[in-house]
Amino acid sequence: ETGVTQTPRHLVMGMTNKKSLKCEQHLGHNAMYWYKQSAKKPLELMFVYNFKEQTENNSVPSRFSPECPNSSHLFLHLHTLQPEDSALYLCASSPEGSGTDTQYFGPGTRLTVL
Amino acid sequence: AQKITQTQPGMFVQEKEAVTLDCTYDTSDQSYGLFWYKQPSSGEMIFLIYQGSYDEQNATEGRYSLNFQKARKSANLVISASQLGDSAMYFCAMREGGTGGFKTIFGAGTRLFVKA
Repeated sequence: ETGVTQTPRHLVMGMTNKKSLKCEQHLGHNAMYWYKQSAKKPLELMFVYNFKEQTENNSVPSRFSPECPNSSHLFLHLHTLQPEDSALYLCASSPEGSGTDTQYFGPGTRLTVL
Repeated sequence: AQKITQTQPGMFVQEKEAVTLDCTYDTSDQSYGLFWYKQPSSGEMIFLIYQGSYDEQNATEGRYSLNFQKARKSANLVISASQLGDSAMYFCAMREGGTGGFKTIFGAGTRLFVKA
């Protein structure tokens, strides 16, 4: 399998549920990212991991908890979400997290919070 | 602060014609990268083309070219010979090489409709 994969592709959850989003990259990259894309809003960076270390947390609420066990895998753990958290969550990776790196995106997980 | 502006919410183009999608940016950094991504209805963000701030030549990738005008801070995407499959959202993005860290800023996007 090539590129960046994300599972699940669609997720519906209640506000009291706990779920996790998974991202895997097969590109040999060292940096991985979580983005949120809400309707009618620009893409928002949530977290950045470079060589498994979190280097960016863009003021994301604690109900979103990222985990990066290695350079190929990235998780986003979700708990007690709100309906306004419904969005497309995109994972991306890039070679080394430098300024002019190109990021490659996965297909996204479309999350609906009831 | 970084800023990306895409002033065209929607664009129509006839199949086989060329179309230009506008993008202007604002940064105080000398080193930065500019990107264009395509997002079909399936949701995946597909990388199209990259232009570095120090690149003197405009970037080209197949039917895509980036019209980079540094003094005007514009980075317009030109799609030649439009195809029906080009119908999608297109996002311009910028990443600063120095002080910007790992943040990439995206514009609001332009939805392109290709007519048969």
